[in-house]
Amino acid sequence: DAGITQSPRYKITETGRQVTLMCHQTWSHSYMFWYRQDLGHGLRLIYYSAAADITDKGEVPDGYVVSRSKTENFPLTLESATRSQTSVYFCASSDQINSPLHFGNGTRLTVT
Amino acid sequence: SQQGEEDPQALSIQEGENATMNCSYKTSINNLQWYRQNSGRGLVHLILIRSNEREKHSGRLRVTLDTSKKSSSLLITASRAADTASYFCATVQINTDKLIFGTGTRLQVFP
Repeated sequence: DAGITQSPRYKITETGRQVTLMCHQTWSHSYMFWYRQDLGHGLRLIYYSAAADITDKGEVPDGYVVSRSKTENFPLTLESATRSQTSVYFCASSDQINSPLHFGNGTRLTVT
Repeated sequence: SQQGEEDPQALSIQEGENATMNCSYKTSINNLQWYRQNSGRGLVHLILIRSNEREKHSGRLRVTLDTSKKSSSLLITASRAADTASYFCATVQINTDKLIFGTGTRLQVFP
């Protein structure tokens, strides 16, 4: 089915561990985004990508790493997870920067 | 700091009433978008208004944009219980590729 999928849906990890959240879209959209959602902060942009091999920082990039070797995939890695990174993470894509975003259903990450 | 701020943070109304949510932003924009989020789900795009537009309609939704005041409003007419959700505005700042979201308005519509 066409769409944007995130995995895993839920993840519990320990402080200091590396964890990777996956995002895959089937539309061949150029743009992909990672947001985190926390109570009281709405959605905050972590990283985004305008095309394969092109990535840029958002509002809150510290502690995160992204890559985009293929157009359809945009993984987000927490190199050394901290409790402050406990959040719901959303991936989104769009064909142009001024076009609507299509969101995945999110990954709920808990860092203990 | 975030680009957009929604007001009010929470809104409770009865079915059939109108719901108005406001969004203020800080910098010049290319367009402003409104999204809806049901509990536990991803956001869904509702409507996009370009910086050279002042008003736009889509079904029961009416969006206005005042670039001189850096503000937008979303009106949902004849609300239904199914409209219960959080609503977010988002803006693309000029000369950037960043779509920045506001903090959202939680709407509760009672049957």
